[in-house]
Amino acid sequence: AQSVSQHNHHVILSEAASLELGCNYSYGGTVNLFWYVQYPGQHLQLLLKYFSGDPLVKGIKGFEAEFIKSKFSFNLRKPSVQWSDTAEYFCAVTASGGSYIPTFGRGTSLIVHP
Amino acid sequence: GAGVSQSPSNKVTEKGKDVELRCDPISGHTALYWYRQSLGQGLEFLIYFQGNSAPDKSGLPSDRFSAERTGGSVSTLTIQRTQQEDSAVYLCASSSGIATNEKLFFGSGTQLSVL
Repeated sequence: AQSVSQHNHHVILSEAASLELGCNYSYGGTVNLFWYVQYPGQHLQLLLKYFSGDPLVKGIKGFEAEFIKSKFSFNLRKPSVQWSDTAEYFCAVTASGGSYIPTFGRGTSLIVHP
Repeated sequence: GAGVSQSPSNKVTEKGKDVELRCDPISGHTALYWYRQSLGQGLEFLIYFQGNSAPDKSGLPSDRFSAERTGGSVSTLTIQRTQQEDSAVYLCASSSGIATNEKLFFGSGTQLSVL
């Protein structure tokens, strides 16, 4: 079974600061990786995903994530955050060709001060 | 409907009572998931339905929890004899169920408070 670890549970930044949220997974085979975001008062929605090809994935609102297989990592980045990026961010994994049930990390709460 | 619909949005109940939470997935989605979101605990998988196959109940925390999906569409999660530790946000999600790399569409959740 796979597992996901998100190291930063709470992150506080000022606008224009750079962001990197860590995500490591535990699984020996091929994986699909996801970042979901939950803005205040809204439902969870997909930010970006990786399943094959270029390990650098670009998502909505200027976010990107890089899959580094040797490190079992899929860190989320944004060069310059905005106040509107304040949200809860969840990393998730499924085993490619395996279970359809994503395993989620504990989430990272990001607060961006204007 | 346009998205995944859950009801009620909030439920306050007394310890020991039974509760039913409803999920209406996106039309045509064969896969339906229930997760529980507790403060600081992330999303905990509860149960998964895929078409007419037997559900994957491996995440249900106790036999007080059960779920069904009627006609391959609407699902109901039932918690019997609720306990205070059941307080959480219960999230439902659906997908077309074709591949493991698909995204899930989530509802807004039901906030359950057990007094």
